[in-house]
Amino acid sequence: GQNIDQPTEMTATEGAIVQINCTYQTSGFNGLFWYQQHAGEAPTFLSYNVLDGLEEKGRFSSFLSRSKGYSYLLLKELQMKDSASYLCAFTDKLIFGTGTRLQVFP
Amino acid sequence: IAGITQAPTSQILAAGRRMTLRCTQDMRHNAMYWYRQDLGLGLRLIHYSNTAGTTGKGEVPDGYSVSRANTDDFPLTLASAVPSQTSVYFCASSAWTSGVNTGELFFGEGSRLTVL
Repeated sequence: GQNIDQPTEMTATEGAIVQINCTYQTSGFNGLFWYQQHAGEAPTFLSYNVLDGLEEKGRFSSFLSRSKGYSYLLLKELQMKDSASYLCAFTDKLIFGTGTRLQVFP
Repeated sequence: IAGITQAPTSQILAAGRRMTLRCTQDMRHNAMYWYRQDLGLGLRLIHYSNTAGTTGKGEVPDGYSVSRANTDDFPLTLASAVPSQTSVYFCASSAWTSGVNTGELFFGEGSRLTVL
């Protein structure tokens, strides 16, 4: 079967760096998405990884290791507006993890 | 720029009633999806459609049906609503390439449904 695990909640301080992990098990893999979802809003796309390594996009980076079934989202220079839930998902099976709720404090 | 439009945005419904949630996209995406989101359970796929005329079951399809008569519309129907179907429902679309979803999902704003 398929399974995605993420920590339920994390807290961090404004200006800091935070790493949100995602581990998965699946038969067949075609890539992994990261999405951001603010409370009461729809999810929005952050990144897509299909090959091993780091994808950098401004303050956000996403890493993938297919052999370890592991990904992480790295958020740098945290801002208050980064307080949201962060969801990882398989691309082809469209299965989402339960999400990690990040709270950024001043 | 519309993207994906869902209707209604919110609805209170008596148990046993029939309800259709509407979803329309103007991006000409071939694939469309319906998710429900419940606290602590994340987004769960109900039904999907890879192209007009075809549909498939997701993780939690029971009690729901969909149709895909054309590219733009993907309605979700609850034939006889039950309280456990109280949830926020998100419609999404994406572009598929060679049978693999390599494109991001674009989500609608959600429909909040309460079944009493």
